[in-house]
Amino acid sequence: ETAVFQTPNYHVTQVGNEVSFNCKQTLGHDTMYWYKQDSKKLLKIMFSYNNKQLIVNETVPRRFSPQSSDKAHLNLRIKSVEPEDSAVYLCASRDRGRTEVFFGKGTRLTVV
Amino acid sequence: GDSVTQTEGLVTLTKGLPVMLNCTYQTTYSPFLFWYVQHLNEAPKLLLKSSTDNKRTEHQGFYATLHKSSSSFHLQKSSVQLSDSALYFCALRHSGTYQRFGTGTKLQVVP
Repeated sequence: ETAVFQTPNYHVTQVGNEVSFNCKQTLGHDTMYWYKQDSKKLLKIMFSYNNKQLIVNETVPRRFSPQSSDKAHLNLRIKSVEPEDSAVYLCASRDRGRTEVFFGKGTRLTVV
Repeated sequence: GDSVTQTEGLVTLTKGLPVMLNCTYQTTYSPFLFWYVQHLNEAPKLLLKSSTDNKRTEHQGFYATLHKSSSSFHLQKSSVQLSDSALYFCALRHSGTYQRFGTGTKLQVVP
């Protein structure tokens, strides 16, 4: 049963466009993440948000920015997409004091 | 820095055979390891986790034992089924903030 919801499922856009992906979790967790899964299925952490504070940013290009309105939402904006941004972007959440991370199904971005 | 290594990219097995997927790690913290399974077009889901040395942990027929002496947390199953075909990720908790994932192993079970 999915408790981390991502929209859209798929998005195709042209180089240079701006895109925004939404993520909402209904688990009451206080930490949310964005991971990038590339064409080789490698999962890499992009951002981690805890109580609206960014606490991890792993060498992600500046055109990427996370946006959070409250602890249940963490959106991802890409200001000017590039071909290498084509990937599946997975949102996830975790409860403080617990170790399990819950993932959404992902948003597949194709940049043409 | 912390790292997770999964040596097999693809494992193809006949239904009913045993499987072992390798996972080794490096960390400066006390290790906490995870296995996640991702079926096609689905979200990764937690399969197993452990931070206890030399204690076997099991779930849905899969099992793994964290061995700190060899920095390993291999995933095993005694008899694979067609429904086990999926992508399996080993992950390491990184300083309590996020999980660092290995490159993943695709398990393909054939009839």
